[in-house]
Amino acid sequence: GDSVTQMEGPVTLSEEAFLTINCTYTATGYPSLFWYVQYPGEGLQLLLKATKADDKGSNKGFEATYRKETTSFHLEKGSVQVSDSAVYFCALRASGGYQKVTFGTGTKLQVIP
Amino acid sequence: DGGITQSPKYLFRKEGQNVTLSCEQNLNHDAMYWYRQDPGQGLRLIYYSQIVNDFQKGDIAEGYSVSREKKESFPLTVTSAQKNPTAFYLCASSIRDRENQPQHFGDGTRLSIL
Repeated sequence: GDSVTQMEGPVTLSEEAFLTINCTYTATGYPSLFWYVQYPGEGLQLLLKATKADDKGSNKGFEATYRKETTSFHLEKGSVQVSDSAVYFCALRASGGYQKVTFGTGTKLQVIP
Repeated sequence: DGGITQSPKYLFRKEGQNVTLSCEQNLNHDAMYWYRQDPGQGLRLIYYSQIVNDFQKGDIAEGYSVSREKKESFPLTVTSAQKNPTAFYLCASSIRDRENQPQHFGDGTRLSIL
């Protein structure tokens, strides 16, 4: 079946540091890929998405590129802020059936001033 | 603004009791989902519904039940058969048959045992 693997957290960075959170996937067909963010006590919010190979999703300074050859969708941000502290989930939505969504286990990011 | 409303935000269950979690959406989405989130784990699918009056079991449906009588509503009942119900429950909705569309989430209900 489909699967999503994220780097283990927590990730602790100083403010203005560069962020990379790795995400790789296995899936049949051509899934769409998503990054969601979850703040404490809240639901998940869509951060960005990419729907085909070589697409780059971007939002609020975050970026991720759909790499079919390496089955990866790594999240990057050039300069993190304290307000970026949250849990980040990588997910894929399958291209067949009922378009099941498969989530990674989440990566907690803590940004310190 | 359109969105998903989950209630209550916190819920306590006594031994042997069934409890129902509410989920309402005004996004006009056909598909709705229930997930369970435990610390350090990803989201696990409990039930999903693609259309009114139809729903399917997800990966961890035992001890749970749902109904889908209206497009905008998808309540989840945690029955007494669910022996470890303490978790954070998330409801989501999406456009059906569009894999390039994301799911939209409510703010969750935290269920604890008394």
